[in-house]
Amino acid sequence: GAVVSQHPSWVICKSGTSVKIECRSLDFQATTMFWYRQFPKQSLMLMATSNEGSKATYEQGVEKDKFLINHASLTLSTLTVTSAHPEDSSFYICSARDLETDYDEQYFGPGTRLTVT
Amino acid sequence: GQNIDQPTEMTATEGAIVQINCTYQTSGFNGLFWYQQHAGEAPTFLSYNVLDGLEEKGRFSSFLSRSKGYSYLLLKELQMKDSASYLCAVADSNYQLIWGAGTKLIIKP
Repeated sequence: GAVVSQHPSWVICKSGTSVKIECRSLDFQATTMFWYRQFPKQSLMLMATSNEGSKATYEQGVEKDKFLINHASLTLSTLTVTSAHPEDSSFYICSARDLETDYDEQYFGPGTRLTVT
Repeated sequence: GQNIDQPTEMTATEGAIVQINCTYQTSGFNGLFWYQQHAGEAPTFLSYNVLDGLEEKGRFSSFLSRSKGYSYLLLKELQMKDSASYLCAVADSNYQLIWGAGTKLIIKP
């Protein structure tokens, strides 16, 4: 099946710094990638939809200036958490939509655990 | 508004059968997905239903009734490794996934 990678798998940073998370589709082209955030014992929360070559679409309540998304190629999307604060500590998961499947299946990356101290 | 409902937690015994229900109200419907998620890991795909009826895949089966806005995931011959959260998600008219809160399944020996 299709593979999506994320890097880094975990990161610890100091409050006020920025962190970049990469999401790559390894064996298929993804015109659309999704960024989710998941707090402990809660479900996935969609943050934004990343479209290759255009601006990302952010969900209500997600600050686009704080969570910068770049989808520069058909296989790579990046999420940058700017001026991170402890409340940004969470599990960030990306997924990529494979239009070649019968039902536009989304494949998930392994996730990135961010801890802001 | 859009809403996906599933039980918060269920407990079952190893070797038994368990059914996890999901009801939904969404703007449009382009299929229903079930995902399994172990703690600290990303979700993994289990099943997809877009037509009414039962889809069987090994020990797991998924059922859909579009008229009732209802689906269930049936797990047979439960194993300890099946302990996980099971997420129900519906693709709306824009093919965006609307996620349920997940059902934590606890398997006891």
